Amino acid sequence: SQQGEEDPQALSIQEGENATMNCSYKTSINNLQWYRQNSGRGLVHLILIRSNEREKHSGRLRVTLDTSKKSSSLLITASRAADTASYFCATRSKEFYFGSGTKLNVKP
Amino acid sequence: DTAVSQTPKYLVTQMGNDKSIKCEQNLGHDTMYWYKQDSKKFLKIMFSYNNKELIINETVPNRFSPKSPDKAHLNLHINSLELGDSAVYFCASSQDLREGVDTQYFGPGTRLTVL
Repeated sequence: SQQGEEDPQALSIQEGENATMNCSYKTSINNLQWYRQNSGRGLVHLILIRSNEREKHSGRLRVTLDTSKKSSSLLITASRAADTASYFCATRSKEFYFGSGTKLNVKP
Repeated sequence: DTAVSQTPKYLVTQMGNDKSIKCEQNLGHDTMYWYKQDSKKFLKIMFSYNNKELIINETVPNRFSPKSPDKAHLNLHINSLELGDSAVYFCASSQDLREGVDTQYFGPGTRLTVL
């Protein structure tokens, strides 16, 4: 079964609103990474959070990690139309596992 | 100055054919990967190579064989293509497999369609 699962599968918001995506996983991890995929493109790394970290920021991105609940969230603040993409979490234990992603649509 | 490149971008072929997808990275990374993304967008790791040695081999059919002539290249050869092989295949690389230097850099993908 898949290790990382994103929720929701799809999210549609207005420009300027915040977008929150969640990721749940099943086994212990070394780190968790979030990636972005624009339509028809490869994935681009956004941010990495280690298993001993609880929160991390990068620009308009905020990632939290709760290892007791085996979950992470990605918050994009003040969203822009250019943020429209699919967002994937990837967990790393022995190997990498990606989920099926959250498809974010930011309407201008 | 493309970091990870793949060719071809699109590949349409008949069932039973043999095909190859090429991947090259110019980042000086030691680890390269092949992923398969299905129609539901699940991204599943197929292989990874570290310093020319296969170190992860998921349960993929042996019709798929990765070949690495040097650490900058990891090609994917597929024999006897089947309809279920239709997907987008992504190559990726990372500095190493060690935690902390395992951020992955992806190629643009190869969309394989088997008719």
